[in-house]
Amino acid sequence: NAGVMQNPRHLVRRRGQEARLRCSPMKGHSHVYWYRQLPEEGLKFMVYLQKENIIDESGMPKERFSAEFPKEGPSILRIQQVVRGDSAAYFCASSPMARVEDEQYFGPGTRLTVT
Amino acid sequence: SQQGEEDPQALSIQEGENATMNCSYKTSINNLQWYRQNSGRGLVHLILIRSNEREKHSGRLRVTLDTSKKSSSLLITASRAADTASYFCATLRDYKLSFGAGTTVTVRA
Repeated sequence: NAGVMQNPRHLVRRRGQEARLRCSPMKGHSHVYWYRQLPEEGLKFMVYLQKENIIDESGMPKERFSAEFPKEGPSILRIQQVVRGDSAAYFCASSPMARVEDEQYFGPGTRLTVT
Repeated sequence: SQQGEEDPQALSIQEGENATMNCSYKTSINNLQWYRQNSGRGLVHLILIRSNEREKHSGRLRVTLDTSKKSSSLLITASRAADTASYFCATLRDYKLSFGAGTTVTVRA
């Protein structure tokens, strides 16, 4: 049973470009969460999605950031017009449908570097 | 604001010694989890303790939870060089995990 998959693992973008980060949850998981980790800090919640629905995006910056989890395919975190401050590790996690208090399984992360 | 706060920020011990780190949090929780992160890598889930549990063991790990003090501790016994990593506590409330800034543990051979 494959774990949470994220790609790319490393992404380099120049200021002003767009970054697309992908996350495939574990098989059978329909809850997806995105977290951001700035250097030397812990992870911060960004957004919680279920299939075709954004449940909570309270941790997302108001501009340039968006997330989706379509009926088919991976969840996408999209950052438009990236700036240097967006450089961070972005982690995706998934959990089973049954109970949201269950363990969240984390992917290996995408490390975004903005030059 | 950050929910979990780890203490100490950094810890250096000799191989074979025990390592203890603490976590404090501010609001009610569903459960508390500890994760390990090796430098520049992903998160490894270590142990989950539910709000109605007081102590839990897993191999060389022992976790305690005191909901009245809103605190938890992680004990790693008989440490090994491979235990060198950052350790994070994370509290779950509803569906959100809130992480502290972590404790960096260095185990010297």
